[in-house]
Amino acid sequence: GENVEQHPSTLSVQEGDSAVIKCTYSDSASNYFPWYKQELGKRPQLIIDIRSNVGEKKDQRIAVTLNKTAKHFSLHITETQPEDSAVYFCAASEYGGATNKLIFGTGTLLAVQP
Amino acid sequence: DAGITQSPRYKITETGRQVTLMCHQTWSHSYMFWYRQDLGHGLRLIYYSAAADITDKGEVPDGYVVSRSKTENFPLTLESATRSQTSVYFCASKGQASNEQFFGPGTRLTVL
Repeated sequence: GENVEQHPSTLSVQEGDSAVIKCTYSDSASNYFPWYKQELGKRPQLIIDIRSNVGEKKDQRIAVTLNKTAKHFSLHITETQPEDSAVYFCAASEYGGATNKLIFGTGTLLAVQP
Repeated sequence: DAGITQSPRYKITETGRQVTLMCHQTWSHSYMFWYRQDLGHGLRLIYYSAAADITDKGEVPDGYVVSRSKTENFPLTLESATRSQTSVYFCASKGQASNEQFFGPGTRLTVL
């Protein structure tokens, strides 16, 4: 089955710097890659996603890139702010597949220092 | 987000007891999921359901039972709780037209 690895497990940046979180997946059938943000004590929420027919997607200060050949995808946050501090999870799924289930990475704790 | 709720929010139980965690959604979403969240493991899928009366195992199903007699409810039962089942449990739901999963607020379960 699918296996998703996520790095780094913790990341500390200064406010205004960029942050990059990387994930790799194992199943070539996976074609949908969402990113969830979880603030302390809260539920995970979708912040951005990408399908395998697209190499990059942006939404204001966040962007996701996908390299299908290497089976890895990354989250990029620019001009980080203290409210970006949270745990970020990547995931992989076979979009439109019978199961519709997500396999998550182990998470990255991002701390943005003011 | 108020459309998916979990109860109880906190539960303390003892080893060997049966515990049921409730999940309710008001969107009539077809798909529902149960995850457990543990430090160092992220979110792991326990069971999922594609519709009423259709359920299937996820990554870590052992020790858990689910049912889905109504579209809006997806209870998770620990038949005989063990300390290793101490965790935060999240329920999620997804509609047919989107791949976004919406998570409930979570249940923190402690097994003594």
